[in-house]
Amino acid sequence: GAVVSQHPSRVICKSGTSVKIECRSLDFQATTMFWYRQFPKQSLMLMATSNEGSKATYEQGVEKDKFLINHASLTLSTLTVTSAHPEDSSFYICSARGLLNEQFFGPGTRLTVL
Amino acid sequence: QQPVQSPQAVILREGEDAVINCSSSKALYSVHWYRQKHGEAPVFLMILLKGGEQKGHEKISASFNEKKQQSSLYLTASQLSYSGTYFCGTEILGGTASKLTFGTGTRLQVTL
Repeated sequence: GAVVSQHPSRVICKSGTSVKIECRSLDFQATTMFWYRQFPKQSLMLMATSNEGSKATYEQGVEKDKFLINHASLTLSTLTVTSAHPEDSSFYICSARGLLNEQFFGPGTRLTVL
Repeated sequence: QQPVQSPQAVILREGEDAVINCSSSKALYSVHWYRQKHGEAPVFLMILLKGGEQKGHEKISASFNEKKQQSSLYLTASQLSYSGTYFCGTEILGGTASKLTFGTGTRLQVTL
């Protein structure tokens, strides 16, 4: 099956700093990637849809200036959490859309903001 | 609107069967099923597109009702490896292409 990697897997940062998370499709090209946020024991909440070569589409309530998304190539999308605060601590997961519209998920990034 | 899954949680002994339901208030274009183990990413199981469709392997299969608002996942002769949280992901008919809204989740635990 298709493989999606995410880096870093875990990050701890101080309040006010910015954190960049990378999502790569390793063996296929993904014109569309998705970024989700998941709190403990809860479902995945879509934050934004990332399309290669165009601006991301953000879900209602997600601040686009805080969560910057860049999809510069067919295999890489990045999420930058700017000026992170403790309430941004969460599990962030990306996915890449496959040919049948299925989604292949990365292993996730656990962000802890102190 | 988030699809509702039932049950919220289920505990099975190895070898028992389970059914997980996913219900949407709106007609769907497709429904996807994923399994997530603790601390890991969700893994794709299958996708259903047609009303009345049934598909899957021998032991894990799913159905999509004719009205395309409900789907069920069937786990037969469960194994320890089936433990995890199951999510349905739904694409709304007429909605943004390939955008999924995930259900509330069903936590499945298989014991010896």
